[in-house]
Amino acid sequence: NAGVTQTPKFRILKIGQSMTLQCTQDMNHNYMYWYRQDPGMGLKLIYYSVGAGITDKGEVPNGYNVSRSTTEDFPLRLELAAPSQTSVYFCASRRGRDRGNEKLFFGSGTQLSVL
Amino acid sequence: GNSVTQMEGPVTLSEEAFLTINCTYTATGYPSLFWYVQYPGEGLQLLLKATKADDKGSNKGFEATYRKETTSFHLEKGSVQVSDSAVYFCALSATGANNLFFGTGTRLTVIP
Repeated sequence: NAGVTQTPKFRILKIGQSMTLQCTQDMNHNYMYWYRQDPGMGLKLIYYSVGAGITDKGEVPNGYNVSRSTTEDFPLRLELAAPSQTSVYFCASRRGRDRGNEKLFFGSGTQLSVL
Repeated sequence: GNSVTQMEGPVTLSEEAFLTINCTYTATGYPSLFWYVQYPGEGLQLLLKATKADDKGSNKGFEATYRKETTSFHLEKGSVQVSDSAVYFCALSATGANNLFFGTGTRLTVIP
């Protein structure tokens, strides 16, 4: 059981470049999330999705876009990379928001540097 | 609103010392509470949880009790090991909310 899989694990971008961080889960979870974790800091929610075709902004959505065309996949797109987007990015998923289904499963992260 | 306030770190302890990491919360309704752990270079993983008042979550020697009267969910372990060195996050899942709310994390280092 793979759980939540993120690719790539590491990436270096130049300012202004674009890239897509991939996230896929094989648990048939409805809810999926993207977080960023800056050095020595906690998690900040970028975007989330409650099901295929439905996405919504989190705390720090500027500079990012997402889509959710299938239950399994939730890619995060950076259009014009900036140094402020240097961070570790985590994708997570959970079955639902009711008791018993609330547990979040995390991927292993993507370390992104923008130079 | 919903929020989690977590004890600031970093925390450094000697092996076999007692650990407490404080966590208090503000929430609407009756939230579920969680502790997640992040080992170096890895994603977060669930350590323990409690879904109602007075519940005690426990795992790997760690414990936390859901205290509604003090809105707290402090993490404790009686005797820490070097392998417990990690960052610990307190989190809540509020009734009707689509996402979890995380504290800022507390880095624990255990020295031999």
